[in-house]
Amino acid sequence: GEDVEQSLFLSVREGDSSVINCTYTDSSSTYLYWYKQEPGAGLQLLTYIFSNMDMKQDQRLTVLLNKKDKHLSLRIADTQTGDSAIYFCAEKSHDMRFGAGTRLTVKP
Amino acid sequence: ETGVTQSPTHLIKTRGQQVTLRCSSQSGHNTVSWYQQALGQGPQFIFQYYREEENGRGNFPPRFSGLQFPNYSSELNVNALELDDSALYLCASSFLSGRGNTGELFFGEGSRLTVL
Repeated sequence: GEDVEQSLFLSVREGDSSVINCTYTDSSSTYLYWYKQEPGAGLQLLTYIFSNMDMKQDQRLTVLLNKKDKHLSLRIADTQTGDSAIYFCAEKSHDMRFGAGTRLTVKP
Repeated sequence: ETGVTQSPTHLIKTRGQQVTLRCSSQSGHNTVSWYQQALGQGPQFIFQYYREEENGRGNFPPRFSGLQFPNYSSELNVNALELDDSALYLCASSFLSGRGNTGELFFGEGSRLTVL
């Protein structure tokens, strides 16, 4: 089947930028998403990008999409301890498929 | 605006039993999707309901079934529970129009099922 892959862990210092990377295989994906999950909670939509765009910025979040390489990234500027969570990349063609999640740890 | 709510939040069952999980979708949404999230994994798509009919299904056996009601709330039923069914079950609602949509899903907090 089609896969969405992410690195499992990322650790940064407070105030630094975080970059979470994702690759996907389904070339028919129409939208790509980033979700955040805090412990014991459901998933919260952070941002999404349409497949014909290559960049989207929303306050501290920047999404970059390289459709040729099927690579998506999420950059969080000025990372705060409250950003510690698991971040899921997801792609939608027919149904929505998620990666396994990247656990971001922010150290003070 | 009311968000997605799920019940129960936690439950314990034994192998072979049956379980029903419930979901109230966000106000204004007409589509409900169910996901299974095993520990340390991303959510896996079970199925989606639109206008009270199944509108897509992932790789789950028939003992996973669902319903959507006229008020767009939904149930997930799992029969003949197995140990591997232990997971967080997430419900997500969205609005699907005739022209398609961006696919944004709004998730509930989930129902954590433990099968012993």
